[in-house]
Amino acid sequence: SSELTQDPAVSVALGQTVRITCQGDSLTSYYANWYQQKPGQAPVLVIYRNNNRPSGIPDRFSGSDSGNTASLTITGAQAEDEADYYCNSRDSSGDLVLFGGGTKLTVL
Amino acid sequence: EVQLVQSGAEVKKPGESLKISCKASGYSFTSSWIGWVRQMPGKGLEWMAVIYPNDADTKYSPSFQGRVTISVDKSLSTAYLQWSSLKTSDTAMYFCTKHPRGSYYLAEDWGQGTPVSVSS
Repeated sequence: SSELTQDPAVSVALGQTVRITCQGDSLTSYYANWYQQKPGQAPVLVIYRNNNRPSGIPDRFSGSDSGNTASLTITGAQAEDEADYYCNSRDSSGDLVLFGGGTKLTVL
Repeated sequence: EVQLVQSGAEVKKPGESLKISCKASGYSFTSSWIGWVRQMPGKGLEWMAVIYPNDADTKYSPSFQGRVTISVDKSLSTAYLQWSSLKTSDTAMYFCTKHPRGSYYLAEDWGQGTPVSVSS
């Protein structure tokens, strides 16, 4: 079994760049996906398979990975980017699905 | 356009049974995994289970195995999540999710959520 670890909270000044990270042993073998959830709404996929953006997601969102860490970067954060962000992937066995604990992003 | 439309809010008592639904449209229902994610009040996302409608292949999180049952009705393009005996700890928002055929851990589309409240 394994887990995905995220910082509980991160803040960024309006227009600046912020990186949100997700750590886990299984990330050395499997892709990470990222979801944005605003209060009272369902999550939305913003990055899949480490660094791919679904259609309709602004290009200020990007993803990367290195070793056991996946990262979501927002370049030029906007007020509307204030939300909870969750990473997900498989566990080390590859059979089960994991979610990180989530990161609350505040745009100052 | 993919749509996952979930059934409405539920208020139940401990020990009661419940079945919530998720009607899918806009894609081939039998060619994608469909699943459920729980979010307890003020908490994060938890993967519960997925099912592949074409052959009913099913995968459960160990945390939910034996507590819930996932199923589908292919003729209605609808997925279900059911409990035989609810607990107060089942109070949560439940999201239906759609996954590509080869990646049941990638939730590419989400339903609007079904709030479930369990209280005596």
